[in-house]
Parts: sequence; structure tokens; C-alpha cells
Amino acid sequence: EIVLTQSPGTLSLSPGDTATLSCRASQSVSRSYLAWYQQKPGQAPRLLIYGTSSRATGIPDRFSGSGSGTDFTLTIRRLEPEDFAVYYCQQYGTSLQYTFGQGTNLEIK
Amino acid sequence: EVQLVESGGGLVQPGRSLRLSCVASGSTLDDYAMHWVRQGPGKALEWVSNISWSGGNIAYADSVKGRFTISRDNAKNSLYLQMNSLRAEDTALYYCVKEINGFAHWGQGTLVTVSS
Repeated sequence: EIVLTQSPGTLSLSPGDTATLSCRASQSVSRSYLAWYQQKPGQAPRLLIYGTSSRATGIPDRFSGSGSGTDFTLTIRRLEPEDFAVYYCQQYGTSLQYTFGQGTNLEIK
Repeated sequence: EVQLVESGGGLVQPGRSLRLSCVASGSTLDDYAMHWVRQGPGKALEWVSNISWSGGNIAYADSVKGRFTISRDNAKNSLYLQMNSLRAEDTALYYCVKEINGFAHWGQGTLVTVSS
């Protein structure tokens, strides 16, 4: 099973800042099969990025994903108040086993 | 826009069974893989199971293998999760998810509480 480790656990920033969230895999992940989700309290998760760097429908271009192999990054530029939430990375498709990271809590400083 | 609505959750004693259902509206399910994902109280997301569009390929997380069974009825636009031998650690909000380039569509979840 591929284990995804996200860092930091909590990130404290201010509106207008740039957030950089990391996701490290215990073994190599295909770029095609790495996704990022945003979850706000009391809501279901929302797909932000799939295939490492492709934005899902309706996701603003302030959100971008990058990486390869075992290291992946979600970058959020010009943070808006509505961006403060928990973010999860996920690998999918490998051997029909899907795993999520433990999440990064992006909070207002 | 596809809408997924889960049902069937509730309070159940350890060792008992529960069957979750998910019905889709606004779009059909039959061309896509479907998943169940759960989230324990204050915990991270955990993938539980998936089923291919035809039902021919099925996978489970190790934590539920042998106890949970996923199925689908494309004619009814429905997904199911039969959960047997429930444990306290199965307590969670269970989401039904439609996979299109990632987990693109999520229901609002149905809460399962396993407690005596």
C-alpha cells in the first residue's frame, strides 16, 4: 500500500499569501494518478486537481499542482478567505488501491 | 449536475450489519467507477471500496476486506455497501463518490455509528 505523508500538518497564513502544501509518497506514483481535494467544515470534499496538475471544473487558476515520482506540491496563490480549509492529497489507480494523505489544515494567521 | 444521495446509516451494535445505498440523479452512473469513502470523527478521509462501471472489478481497503461488499445496479442508478461484522472503528461518515478524472462528485454522506 502506498502511504502519503502531507506536510505541514497545519499551515498558518494570511489572506494574500501563497500557500505551499507538500505530499510525499512512500513509493513512486504515476503523475496521472495524483489528486488534491479541499474540505471545509461540515462539507464533503471537493476535487481541486487531478493528474498532478490539471484543475477540476470551476477551480480558479490560483490553485496549481506540480511534482513527480514521490514528491508533489499544491500551491495556492493570493489566498482568499474561502481558501482556508483542510487539503488532502490522494493517489489513485495503482492496483485498484486508493489512499489519502492525512491532510494539511490551512488556517488564518 | 450529478447529485449523489446516500442513505442507510444509523446506530448499530458491534457485530451487526448495515446496508448503505447511494442514488444518483442528474446523470447516470453506468459509465463510471464508483467508490465509498469514509471519514471518522475528526479524522482524515479513508478510501473504503470501489467498483468498476460494469461491476467486473472490485477492490477493498484492507480494513474492511471480508466484511464489506460493494455492488451497483446501473438500471437503478444506485450503489450499495453491505457492511457486516461492524466494529467501533467503522464509525464514520460514509460518502458515495463518482470517479471522473479523480473523485469528482461526492454525496453529503450518511453517518454510521457502531456502539453498544
